[in-house]
Amino acid sequence: KAGVTQTPRYLIKTRGQQVTLSCSPISGHRSVSWYQQTPGQGLQFLFEYFSETQRNKGNFPGRFSGRQFSNSRSEMNVSTLELGDSALYLCASGPGGLGVGANVLTFGAGSRLTVL
Amino acid sequence: DAKTTQPTSMDCAEGRAANLPCNHSTISGNEYVYWYRQIHSQGPQYIIHGLKNNETNEMASLIITEDRKSSTLILPHATLRDTAVYYCIVSGTGNQFYFGTGTSLTVIP
Repeated sequence: KAGVTQTPRYLIKTRGQQVTLSCSPISGHRSVSWYQQTPGQGLQFLFEYFSETQRNKGNFPGRFSGRQFSNSRSEMNVSTLELGDSALYLCASGPGGLGVGANVLTFGAGSRLTVL
Repeated sequence: DAKTTQPTSMDCAEGRAANLPCNHSTISGNEYVYWYRQIHSQGPQYIIHGLKNNETNEMASLIITEDRKSSTLILPHATLRDTAVYYCIVSGTGNQFYFGTGTSLTVIP
């Protein structure tokens, strides 16, 4: 079956702009979570959506937001970009149901954002 | 904060078994141990997971101590393509994974 698809794979923006990244989860997966990876901070959890509702949120400023659509596809948005937002943004999908045991996440290839 | 402790780096000779340790002394009863690896800043790739029993799949084996405070990922016959950063994660039924710094495994020809 198709994996997790993230678009765009690469993009370059300038400070102050905003960016929207897209993620299509594995068919049947209802949970989508987002992670930021930088050389200095490693992989950090941004937020997780399940059935169009944000279920968990990491420690990031309000400039980082997301949403999930009824077909489980998700987007994340970063407004007023800063140089430090340059990172690999990873999306992961999972079955998502709470209390159902292990929840193996499948990651996409990521969207690499460069802020100039 | 990450709930696991892993060595920063390890080397392994090609063809030999790679044993990657992980300490998770604060693991709670409903938390699973997951192992992922990441190659060249691609997305992390799932390897294996377990709750309390040892597990084996086509990629690796996972040995969890009886008290569940530590585990070892075993790659039985390491190849050059196994060179990657390996992450040990403990997580409950939610989808919030805390990645530590992982172990950078280098397989040497």
